[in-house]
Amino acid sequence: DAGITQSPRYKITETGRQVTLMCHQTWSHSYMFWYRQDLGHGLRLIYYSAAADITDKGEVPDGYVVSRSKTENFPLTLESATRSQTSVYFCASRDDGRPDTQYFGPGTRLTVL
Amino acid sequence: AQKITQTQPGMFVQEKEAVTLDCTYDTSDQSYGLFWYKQPSSGEMIFLIYQGSYDEQNATEGRYSLNFQKARKSANLVISASQLGDSAMYFCAMRGVLNQAGTALIFGKGTTLSVSS
Repeated sequence: DAGITQSPRYKITETGRQVTLMCHQTWSHSYMFWYRQDLGHGLRLIYYSAAADITDKGEVPDGYVVSRSKTENFPLTLESATRSQTSVYFCASRDDGRPDTQYFGPGTRLTVL
Repeated sequence: AQKITQTQPGMFVQEKEAVTLDCTYDTSDQSYGLFWYKQPSSGEMIFLIYQGSYDEQNATEGRYSLNFQKARKSANLVISASQLGDSAMYFCAMRGVLNQAGTALIFGKGTTLSVSS
């Protein structure tokens, strides 16, 4: 299917465990983004990537690691999950030539117990 | 610093009425873009409308229009003829410069719209 997919859609884990959230897009967009959504904060940027092997921090990067070995994939890893990382995570992508668009995946709801 | 402010946590409107959702922004950039997204209870982010800072006309998409007042730094969303399906959270966002590598969206905290029959 064309578009952005995220997996898993729901995840429950325990503090201290490593968790990887997957994001895959089929458009070959250059830019990809990870946001987290928390009540009262809207969406905040965690990390972004301008192309394969180019990543950089956003507003709230602490506790997260990203990689982008292929254009279509942009996984987000929580190396040692904490309760404060309980959130809804959205992946997004944007065509380099279309700054007026940004497409979002369906989101992953992560609960850290 | 770039910032988006949505001052209305919740709005209530009756079906078929028009409603305006407020959004103000702060940026020192000359070139920027403003977005509105809808998030229904199912959770997905749905793009509604976009306004570029150099666009002279207000953007419109069906029942949605963006009231862009550059001097006042406001980008209010107007929904005409509200429908029950418009009940959702609405986010205003601005394309903000991250660094020389690119841009990302900066979001407001959102406004919950409830439409009643």
